[in-house]
Amino acid sequence: AQRVTQPEKLLSVFKGAPVELKCNYSYSGSPELFWYVQYSRQRLQLLLRHISRESIKGFTADLNKGETSFHLKKPFAQEEDSAMYYCALMRNTDKLIFGTGTRLQVFP
Amino acid sequence: NAGVTQTPKFQVLKTGQSMTLQCAQDMNHNSMYWYRQDPGMGLRLIYYSASEGTTDKGEVPNGYNVSRLNKREFSLRLESAAPSQTSVYFCASTGRQNQPQHFGDGTRLSIL
Repeated sequence: AQRVTQPEKLLSVFKGAPVELKCNYSYSGSPELFWYVQYSRQRLQLLLRHISRESIKGFTADLNKGETSFHLKKPFAQEEDSAMYYCALMRNTDKLIFGTGTRLQVFP
Repeated sequence: NAGVTQTPKFQVLKTGQSMTLQCAQDMNHNSMYWYRQDPGMGLRLIYYSASEGTTDKGEVPNGYNVSRLNKREFSLRLESAAPSQTSVYFCASTGRQNQPQHFGDGTRLSIL
């Protein structure tokens, strides 16, 4: 079955601390993975996709096919990073399967 | 460009009432989607439309109907609203395969 698992509902850190939001997937084909972010009362917006291998707002994510993971990392969290983060897997080239989301709280 | 526009932003309905949520995109995208977002469940696909004139069921289609009116517009209809349909509804679109989806601001729907 195709599935995306985000094991943490809530992750709380202090400003300047490292952050890792976990994402594991189950997919029989070659995965296309994304991280979306939703700031308070705003629309979802794309943060990262694995094929671009870029860093956005200091966040990076590496696809590990052996561990079927796509964890999102940032070395030094900022208060403005507080948001809901969703990991998503693209299925059949045009449909997304979302994880249940992790709320990141960054305290000053 | 506005991107993906959803109306209304908020709505309260009584059980049994009907309602159509509107979505329009100005990016000339082929594919459009309707999701619902519920606490602890993430986003779940209700219906999608791969191109003008086609619609298909997603993960949770029961209680909903859709219409792809033209390339720009994709509406979601609740014929007889139920409290279980209280949710935040998001519309999204994408232009090509394997491309990220662009989302609207959402419609917060409460059914009493």
